[in-house]
Amino acid sequence: AQTVTQSQPEMSVQEAETVTLSCTYDTSESDYYLFWYKQPPSRQMILVIRQEAYKQQNATENRFSVNFQKAAKSFSLKISDSQLGDAAMYFCAYSSHNAGNMLTFGGGTRLMVKP
Amino acid sequence: DADVTQTPRNRITKTGKRIMLECSQTKGHDRMYWYRQDPGLGLRLIYYSFDVKDINKGEISDGYSVSRQAQAKFSLSLESAIPNQTALYFCATGAESTDTQYFGPGTRLTVL
Repeated sequence: AQTVTQSQPEMSVQEAETVTLSCTYDTSESDYYLFWYKQPPSRQMILVIRQEAYKQQNATENRFSVNFQKAAKSFSLKISDSQLGDAAMYFCAYSSHNAGNMLTFGGGTRLMVKP
Repeated sequence: DADVTQTPRNRITKTGKRIMLECSQTKGHDRMYWYRQDPGLGLRLIYYSFDVKDINKGEISDGYSVSRQAQAKFSLSLESAIPNQTALYFCATGAESTDTQYFGPGTRLTVL
């Protein structure tokens, strides 16, 4: 069974600074997808970024980028120029086509942004 | 209008009551999912459906049942609610051709 681990229950960052959230996963599949979801206090699950395992290039979406290390099964999220609106819970998630694209989530990291 | 809607958004009920949570989508997706979120545990899969005639149990299906009334509607029922079913419940949709799921706004359920 696949597992996803987020080892940082809480992180804090100064506004305008950079922060990196960690995620590791375990799988025997070779073709899979990884995601970071943001959950603000409104509780809506918002997709931040996705990575296809067969692509070596790290995904980037504006201020958000990932460091995907397939051999190490590591998938960290870097947030640059942090803003107050980035404060939220962040969840790392895994899915594979062979498993019907069902998502397996990590336990989450609460990010606080200090003004 | 939101692509994935859930009703109710909040619900308080008593132990032993039957309750139904509803999910509707306008994205035209075949696949629908129900997840549960507890503090510190992330989201866990309860049930999923790949089409109207297909229902499958997820990781934590005990105490729950589902009904796929149409391609666009997927309901989750608690036949006899108990306090440890107090949680945030999310519905999500996805297409076979894509790996991305789209979430509803969630239903906060409290069982007293």
